[in-house]
Amino acid sequence: GAVVSQHPSRVICKSGTSVKIECRSLDFQATTMFWYRQFPKQSLMLMATSNEGSKATYEQGVEKDKFLINHASLTLSTLTVTSAHPEDSSFYICSADPPGTSYNEQFFGPGTRLTVL
Amino acid sequence: AQSVTQPDIHITVSEGASLELRCNYSYGATPYLFWYVQSPGQGLQLLLKYFSGDTLVQGIKGFEAEFKRSQSSFNLRKPSVHWSDAAEYFCAVGGGTDKLIFGTGTRLQVFP
Repeated sequence: GAVVSQHPSRVICKSGTSVKIECRSLDFQATTMFWYRQFPKQSLMLMATSNEGSKATYEQGVEKDKFLINHASLTLSTLTVTSAHPEDSSFYICSADPPGTSYNEQFFGPGTRLTVL
Repeated sequence: AQSVTQPDIHITVSEGASLELRCNYSYGATPYLFWYVQSPGQGLQLLLKYFSGDTLVQGIKGFEAEFKRSQSSFNLRKPSVHWSDAAEYFCAVGGGTDKLIFGTGTRLQVFP
């Protein structure tokens, strides 16, 4: 099946610094990837849709200047949390929709736990 | 508007007992429905999906789900639960866009 990886799996940073999270599709090319945020014991909330070669589409209420998304290639999307603060601490999960699969069939990465001190 | 409701926040069952996790959805057209499982600190793994056809869908790990249009439901079932099934389960619906809408999840606890 399609495999999506994320790096790092866990990161701790100081308040005010920026953190970059990578999402890679290992065995397929993905023109579209998705970034979700999950608070403890809560559901996944879609933050943005990452489109290869064009700007990401952000969901309402998500600050585009704070959560920078770059989909530089067909196998890599990055999420940069700029000037991170403790309230940005969360579990970030990416997914990708491989070509040729059924509509909306997304494959998820293992997630990145961000802790901002 | 699209929405997914999982009425049970937390369910506890004994190992070997049967399981049913409820999922109700609201969607204007025929939905694409999914069940995902998430172990602590992990990403989501697809258990099964429904797009069309047979309303009883078989998935991995012995799970199945039944789409009931009249009840707007897509409940997940397993005849005999194993301790390794303890996890968080999410129902999701997709449709005319690429977005998936997730329910709030049901945490399954299994007692030996």
